[in-house]
Amino acid sequence: EPEVTQTPSHQVTQMGQEVILRCVPISNHLYFYWYRQILGQKVEFLVSFYNNEISEKSEIFDDQFSVERPDGSNFTLKIRSTKLEDSAMYFCASSEAPRGEQFFGPGTRLTVL
Amino acid sequence: EDQVTQSPEALRLQEGESSSLNCSYTVSGLRGLFWYRQDPGKGPEFLFTLYSAGEEKEKERLKATLTKKESFLHITAPKPEDSATYLCAVGAQKLVFGQGTRLTINP
Repeated sequence: EPEVTQTPSHQVTQMGQEVILRCVPISNHLYFYWYRQILGQKVEFLVSFYNNEISEKSEIFDDQFSVERPDGSNFTLKIRSTKLEDSAMYFCASSEAPRGEQFFGPGTRLTVL
Repeated sequence: EDQVTQSPEALRLQEGESSSLNCSYTVSGLRGLFWYRQDPGKGPEFLFTLYSAGEEKEKERLKATLTKKESFLHITAPKPEDSATYLCAVGAQKLVFGQGTRLTINP
């Protein structure tokens, strides 16, 4: 069964450093998303991406964040200068259609020290 | 702005004891309501999508229903392996999640 994969599973970084979180969406999906979940809190939307463009982003997704589809299979989230409050689980998701079900990856746990 | 509230926050049942989880939502126009299961340290696992009031979906011991203001996830004769956090979300591309119901099934 096709699934979304994410690497790394756990990333530890120092405050102020740049991190890149990687995702491989399901191959025939066209819509891609990033969400985050701070420990004990709700899953929060960050950004949606379609046709090589951001289609929607939340207030959390400020200038420190960027997304890219560098090739036909990968989808990345970059945080330019990490802050302590960026520590969270980051989930990538993909869907076949804009109102369709989103399938989530296993997540990357980001720890900022 | 879309809002989702789930109740109860936590529910403990005996194996075989049926119950229901509630998801109340406030939206400007419902584009979809989604149920997910989340195990500790894992990503949400898709269960159901509902698009219009009166719609029902079923899978094994789970059944999801939808009205104009809320959705229920009914669990019939649950087993310990059904223990997880169940998340409700609304939206289309941007999903707005509730805080989840943590379900524990004791053998």
